[in-house]
Amino acid sequence: GAGVSQSPRYKVAKRGQDVALRCDPISGHVSLFWYQQALGQGPEFLTYFQNEAQLDKSGLPSDRFFAERPEGSVSTLKIQRTQQEDSAVYLCASSLAQEAFFGQGTRLTVV
Amino acid sequence: GENVEQHPSTLSVQEGDSAVIKCTYSDSASNYFPWYKQELGKGPQLIIDIRSNVGEKKDQRIAVTLNKTAKHFSLHITETQPEDSAVYFCAANAPNFGNEKLTFGTGTRLTIIP
Repeated sequence: GAGVSQSPRYKVAKRGQDVALRCDPISGHVSLFWYQQALGQGPEFLTYFQNEAQLDKSGLPSDRFFAERPEGSVSTLKIQRTQQEDSAVYLCASSLAQEAFFGQGTRLTVV
Repeated sequence: GENVEQHPSTLSVQEGDSAVIKCTYSDSASNYFPWYKQELGKGPQLIIDIRSNVGEKKDQRIAVTLNKTAKHFSLHITETQPEDSAVYFCAANAPNFGNEKLTFGTGTRLTIIP
């Protein structure tokens, strides 16, 4: 595709519900990143994939957060038992070298 | 880990004037410094980047300067236009962690006054 695509654009979840956020990276991009952006803040790193391998998950805030990229293309970020503090925009970025290109993000609101 | 500080947090300039946003970083191993523009409801858009082997880079009305000794870098926008209004983020990479993850500044909300 032309750019990084994320779905859904908006998600409202009741506290305790599980959610799954999808990222379609730019075709051929080896590297894929997930970031979390709280309101009025800069994006914060969550996790990194090189092809299908998750090489860095140091930014995941708790074991309720899980990410996968089974075929080295589409990635899913799953959040179990959502809490209010999980409310944020979740951004996906892909890259071939150093330049990272971001999707529009998924705005998650936990009520 | 890397720490990136950005200022000012808000900046208003008259249309046609220049805008400057400054960032400092802490990790001397960082060697890649991108700038992103984020409009309301959109993801960050890469507008310019600089690597540590150069001190300055220009792209039309946008320029970035890097001072490795002082560990700071700046974004310069000349002849500002209303469409430049957005939030701008600086970032630095973390090469010691084995990937190109970025640490972002807290953002500068730039408003161009017509």
